[in-house]
Amino acid sequence: GAGVSQSPSNKVTEKGKDVELRCDPISGHTALYWYRQSLGQGLEFLIYFQGNSAPDKSGLPSDRFSAERTGGSVSTLTIQRTQQEDSAVYLCASSSTRAAYTGELFFGEGSRLTVL
Amino acid sequence: AQTVTQSQPEMSVQEAETVTLSCTYDTSESDYYLFWYKQPPSRQMILVIRQEAYKQQNATENRFSVNFQKAAKSFSLKISDSQLGDAAMYFCAYRGSNYQLIWGAGTKLIIKP
Repeated sequence: GAGVSQSPSNKVTEKGKDVELRCDPISGHTALYWYRQSLGQGLEFLIYFQGNSAPDKSGLPSDRFSAERTGGSVSTLTIQRTQQEDSAVYLCASSSTRAAYTGELFFGEGSRLTVL
Repeated sequence: AQTVTQSQPEMSVQEAETVTLSCTYDTSESDYYLFWYKQPPSRQMILVIRQEAYKQQNATENRFSVNFQKAAKSFSLKISDSQLGDAAMYFCAYRGSNYQLIWGAGTKLIIKP
């Protein structure tokens, strides 16, 4: 596709349920980031994938959070046993190798997660 | 650790006027990049302008320009001839030797018609 695609756009779930958020990056982009944006806040780094290298998971807030990237393309962020504090917008961004070096990221429209 | 501070939670400007959004940062690195990203209500972050620290010349993109003061660690964004479509959250971001971007908390820009 022309841009980064994220699904679902909005997700409402009950506390304790598992959720999966999907990111389809721009074709050919080797770098992929997940961020979390709470209401009125900046972006909180979660995880970074670059090509075939081991991902940087240093931003994941707890072991309930995990992410994978299959075939160097689509990525899925999974939150297990969701809590109300997980409510936020989850943003995905991708970039080419060079653009990742210079920090130019292309973002999706995010997935808004609401945990009741 | 690097930090980015945006001290203005909200700014408003009359349409066609000029507005300046402030950003300061803290780093011990000498080579880095600074960015302004725009986030409209659609939530999609869009790169507005980028500045490389080794360049003394301030970056400019049409109506958007920056005032980069390296010694003062200041990186403000000036929007000239403000338009209704400029209404959005604006985030300042820093990238140093680490590939991660460090983000400010954002400034909400309101355009008054």
